[in-house]
Amino acid sequence: EVQLVESGGGLVQPGGSLRLSCAASGFNFSIYSMSWVRRAPGKGLEWVANIKQDENEKSYVDSVKGRFTISRDNAKNSLYLQMNNLRGEDTAVYYCARDAGESGHYTSNLWGQGTLVTVSS
Amino acid sequence: DIVVTQSPDSLAVSLGERATINCKSSQSVLYSSTNKNYLAWYQQKPGQPPKLLIYWASTRESGVPDRFSGSGSVTDFTLTISTLQAEDVAVYYCQQYYNTPRTFGQGTKVEIK
Repeated sequence: EVQLVESGGGLVQPGGSLRLSCAASGFNFSIYSMSWVRRAPGKGLEWVANIKQDENEKSYVDSVKGRFTISRDNAKNSLYLQMNNLRGEDTAVYYCARDAGESGHYTSNLWGQGTLVTVSS
Repeated sequence: DIVVTQSPDSLAVSLGERATINCKSSQSVLYSSTNKNYLAWYQQKPGQPPKLLIYWASTRESGVPDRFSGSGSVTDFTLTISTLQAEDVAVYYCQQYYNTPRTFGQGTKVEIK
């Protein structure tokens, strides 16, 4: 079955760290660009970060630059998001998403169920 | 960053009637070298992840019912649900993927009248 399964969410204090993981199965993970997208409670979707197939190119939304790091392990069919110096506004459901597209223009056509990150003291 | 704005924020439509959602980008998302509009529509039902409905502004993703259609170009786009079904109750988002950050509209909640 083609799927993405996130893990690693939970409750963390402001200033703390978490590492999210996303396990891919049922498709050739190594040939796809991948993204993280989040949805804060009562708010809309926000694209967070993207990583190209060979990990050479990474992009981030300004609000997480310098705090979050996206990475992947193609041998393990896994995507990661290291989140440091977490803030209350980072509280959200984080989705792992597979990208589809061309030449730097990507939509996301496969999504995981999401993992909840709550930043609170 | 490209700002994407949807209207309305919510709408209530009777079963079998048409629902129309508008999306406007703050700059063109039409890429001249490909002549494609890099604008997508997603559906998110409660407790579920988003689902891609439309890409390139008007191309339906595989498996998406043909009652969903997308139109528009450059900066102004529309998602139309031709005959609303009960299972279409959801929040709908447009997203530009012309450049990063790939920005979403604020979402439009569609309910049954």
